[in-house]
Amino acid sequence: DAGVTQSPTHLIKTRGQQVTLRCSPKSGHDTVSWYQQALGQGPQFIFQYYEEEERQRGNFPDRFSGHQFPNYSSELNVNALLLGDSALYLCASSFPGIFYEQYFGPGTRLTVT
Amino acid sequence: AQRVTQPEKLLSVFKGAPVELKCNYSYSGSPELFWYVQYSRQRLQLLLRHISRESIKGFTADLNKGETSFHLKKPFAQEEDSAMYYCALSGHSGNQFYFGTGTSLTVIP
Repeated sequence: DAGVTQSPTHLIKTRGQQVTLRCSPKSGHDTVSWYQQALGQGPQFIFQYYEEEERQRGNFPDRFSGHQFPNYSSELNVNALLLGDSALYLCASSFPGIFYEQYFGPGTRLTVT
Repeated sequence: AQRVTQPEKLLSVFKGAPVELKCNYSYSGSPELFWYVQYSRQRLQLLLRHISRESIKGFTADLNKGETSFHLKKPFAQEEDSAMYYCALSGHSGNQFYFGTGTSLTVIP
């Protein structure tokens, strides 16, 4: 089991563009959370998906949207990119009912120019 | 408002010395508190949670509701403890996590 995987590893986009990041959870996990980590900061919660529904959302604008597929994999979409969206985007998954033990992926480094 | 504060961005201690990483929080309700750790070139991973009251790799953390603190302690630091440590909290449902800004611990040989 490769654990949580994320793609792509790095991405460079221009202001105003749209981006899609992908996450495959660890085998057996059904819950996926997304985080944004700016340089020198801790991870900031974007949203959590469970049973293909957004279960909880952090303080992020509607430009940030997501999706969870029947196989529990997930996508994070960001529209109308701003320079401030440049960050490491982390995906974390957890077992059913064991929400506290999140397994994190390696992250996708997004640079907006 | 929910918040996790880690006042020290950097902390250096000598091998064998005690170490304490500070964490204070604000939360309307009864939170669950955690410490996550990220070793060099590795992923963020759970170190311990307050409710389990375990000692993991020699680290312990006590939840002090009066002082709203959850400091991480180890009596004798080892070189392999050098890492970035994040304090985090969530509600009981675990729907949303709040992380602190992290403390980078360096253990000097």
